[in-house]
Amino acid sequence: KAGVTQTPRYLIKTRGQQVTLSCSPISGHRSVSWYQQTPGQGLQFLFEYFSETQRNKGNFPGRFSGRQFSNSRSEMNVSTLELGDSALYLCASSLMSGANVLTFGAGSRLTVL
Amino acid sequence: TQLLEQSPQFLSIQEGENLTVYCNSSSVFSSLQWYRQEPGEGPVLLVTVVTGGEVKKLKRLTFQFGDARKDSSLHITAAQPGDTGLYLCAGFFPYNAGNMLTFGGGTRLMVKP
Repeated sequence: KAGVTQTPRYLIKTRGQQVTLSCSPISGHRSVSWYQQTPGQGLQFLFEYFSETQRNKGNFPGRFSGRQFSNSRSEMNVSTLELGDSALYLCASSLMSGANVLTFGAGSRLTVL
Repeated sequence: TQLLEQSPQFLSIQEGENLTVYCNSSSVFSSLQWYRQEPGEGPVLLVTVVTGGEVKKLKRLTFQFGDARKDSSLHITAAQPGDTGLYLCAGFFPYNAGNMLTFGGGTRLMVKP
């Protein structure tokens, strides 16, 4: 079966712009989590969505938001981009919230200039 | 704050050598996972350990979970160039709902032929 698909894979933005990233989970998976990976901070949890509801939120500013659609696909948005938002954004899907078995996508690499 | 400290950060060894990576926390995990990430890809789950004192083997990889469930180690026997990558430990803590993972900083392993 197809894995977790993230689009776009690479993108470049400038400070102040906003960006939307997309994640299509494995078919049948209803939980989608987002993580930010940077060389300095490593992998950090952003938020998790299950059944179109945000289940958990990490310690990130309100510029970071997300949503989940009825088909379990998820999007995350970052507004008013800052240089420090440059990172690999990883999406992980799971059958359900609390299943504790995550499958990660290849990520979307965002560069903010 | 729930932190996972991983050591060493970097490891460069010759093919055939053995190595051990450590993951420590001051908090008790409900379960702990080890991932391997290659450039341009998302982390791939290697193993989940749940019970204190548990030992799991995956070919040349041996994973141990500390008796108190605050630490874990990954031992690789006779490392091969194909083992090169970023190894990440990640824990689920008892009071974190859903699929929220806390990651260690990672160990970047290079195995030279």
